[in-house]
Amino acid sequence: DAGVTQSPTHLIKTRGQQVTLRCSPKSGHDTVSWYQQALGQGPQFIFQYYEEEERQRGNFPDRFSGHQFPNYSSELNVNALLLGDSALYLCASSLGGNTIYFGEGSWLTVV
Amino acid sequence: GQQLNQSPQSMFIQEGEDVSMNCTSSSIFNTWLWYKQDPGEGPVLLIALYKAGELTSNGRLTAQFGITRKDSFLNISASIPSDVGIYFCAGPPFYNTDKLIFGTGTRLQVFP
Repeated sequence: DAGVTQSPTHLIKTRGQQVTLRCSPKSGHDTVSWYQQALGQGPQFIFQYYEEEERQRGNFPDRFSGHQFPNYSSELNVNALLLGDSALYLCASSLGGNTIYFGEGSWLTVV
Repeated sequence: GQQLNQSPQSMFIQEGEDVSMNCTSSSIFNTWLWYKQDPGEGPVLLIALYKAGELTSNGRLTAQFGITRKDSFLNISASIPSDVGIYFCAGPPFYNTDKLIFGTGTRLQVFP
């Protein structure tokens, strides 16, 4: 049983560019959340998707957007990248508010 | 909004020693979670607590849900080198159970 899988694992982008990160939830999970973890800090909630709709959103600008597909997989898009967007982006999945499982994350470096 | 403060920020201990760390909140939580994060990986759930006063163990790890519901504690007994990592407390805020708020983390280093 595969857990939460994310891709790519590492990537480097230039300021102003756009990036798309992908997540496949744990088998049977229907809810996907995205978190940003800056170096030396705890993860910060970006938003959550359920039934292909954004259900909750944290304190992040509109440059951060997402999508959930019918198979429950999800994408995180960040436009107009800033240096401060450099972080580990974590995807988490759950079913019905039960235990939340995290993927290994995608490391984004903006130069 | 709710914040979680963890202490200590970091610990340097010798293999075999016991470890204690705690997490405090400015407001109540109904669930406390403890995660461990190894370098370059995502957080892994260690223990989940759902009731005030609850004491739960997972091998050498024991966690407690504080009576005031504003704090939680994690103890590791007889530490081993693979305990190295960052330990985070987390929980869903009472006003929004769909997201987790994470603490500031406790970095643990174990020396042989």
